[in-house]
Amino acid sequence: GNSVTQMEGPVTLSEEAFLTINCTYTATGYPSLFWYVQYPGEGLQLLLKATKADDKGSNKGFEATYRKETTSFHLEKGSVQVSDSAVYFCAKTSYDKVIFGPGTSLSVIP
Amino acid sequence: NAGVTQTPKFQVLKTGQSMTLQCAQDMNHNSMYWYRQDPGMGLRLIYYSASEGTTDKGEVPNGYNVSRLNKREFSLRLESAAPSQTSVYFCASSGGGRGTDTQYFGPGTRLTVL
Repeated sequence: GNSVTQMEGPVTLSEEAFLTINCTYTATGYPSLFWYVQYPGEGLQLLLKATKADDKGSNKGFEATYRKETTSFHLEKGSVQVSDSAVYFCAKTSYDKVIFGPGTSLSVIP
Repeated sequence: NAGVTQTPKFQVLKTGQSMTLQCAQDMNHNSMYWYRQDPGMGLRLIYYSASEGTTDKGEVPNGYNVSRLNKREFSLRLESAAPSQTSVYFCASSGGGRGTDTQYFGPGTRLTVL
């Protein structure tokens, strides 16, 4: 099928820990890939994106690399902060739509 | 710029009642979308409009109708609400209409159907 899979969590980390959230997608054509973030009580907002193989998207210390050979787009951050607590969604384009993963809830504790 | 606005923010309905969720964007975007968000389900596309004057069904269109009133506004109507439609509804817009552009989301409408 046409889908995006990501670890659902919840993930709980201590401040300054290393973060990885795995994301894989079904390879239909050459999609653009995204990570969106949703803070409590808000809508989603774009965190980063990559539009072709081997591109690296980055923003606010978060990074993800478009890996065509493994159909993956894992999100990483070297040192998380309490303010990073949110739900993270991996997504891919599909023709004129976007397919979202189920979201990964992250809690960062001081 | 306000971005994407949605009204109302909260709504409680009884089974069988109808209501319209309003969405407007001020970014001159061509494409607009309606999603619902349920625990463990991520975002599911209800309807979308690739350009003014066109609408298409998404993954879960049953029980909903939409109207692309003009380029700015895209409304979602529940004709006869059911408890299964209890959810958080998000409107989004993007510029290109081919799914390659960033989607900008509104703050959401939290709907409860009793």
